[in-house]
Amino acid sequence: ETGVTQTPRHLVMGMTNKKSLKCEQHLGHNAMYWYKQSAKKPLELMFVYSLEERVENNSVPSRFSPECPNSSHLFLHLHTLQPEDSALYLCASSQEVWTGELFFGEGSRLTVL
Amino acid sequence: AQKITQTQPGMFVQEKEAVTLDCTYDTSDPSYGLFWYKQPSSGEMIFLIYQGSYDQQNATEGRYSLNFQKARKSANLVISASQLGDSAMYFCAMREGPVQGAQKLVFGQGTRLTINP
Repeated sequence: ETGVTQTPRHLVMGMTNKKSLKCEQHLGHNAMYWYKQSAKKPLELMFVYSLEERVENNSVPSRFSPECPNSSHLFLHLHTLQPEDSALYLCASSQEVWTGELFFGEGSRLTVL
Repeated sequence: AQKITQTQPGMFVQEKEAVTLDCTYDTSDPSYGLFWYKQPSSGEMIFLIYQGSYDQQNATEGRYSLNFQKARKSANLVISASQLGDSAMYFCAMREGPVQGAQKLVFGQGTRLTINP
């Protein structure tokens, strides 16, 4: 069982849909992250949460809305996305924010039609 | 400016051979950390090895070693005795700044390694 679990693994949505990505970590970590991985581009940091407080919002469009109800769960709410938002969205956690190694989930592959 | 540069988009290596994956970085901060992650086709990013900027010796973890050349700002990953299961994307990453405080982890574009039987 991986320490960081992401659902769904695959998601296809239209530009007018509203969907959510979910991340859960079973490691007792205090920090959680959303990364975007597009083809042929480096991993892009989107959001960082430390103990449910957002500490970083890396100029992400408002059509992406994160939510961290507790230190074990992280959501990424999606609405009115664009085809260029199609990517692998990776969730990660670490013991404290930016301390220690990052533990990643397997990602949610998003396709926007 | 690119903080992390991985110049090899793809590499093909024969099984059991050693392989070196290149990584150069750019920072003016004296305190930083360098990471390598492996991403198999399943998508999960797997931590491999870490090198701190003040570490005197090159990091090693089993078959993985990091060839850290500080003056040249390079942090190449060396995999000895490659195995078919090593086929994956490999990402070099850098964390800038002190351990306490706001830091960012910046990733390179990755190298796709294919091990041939």
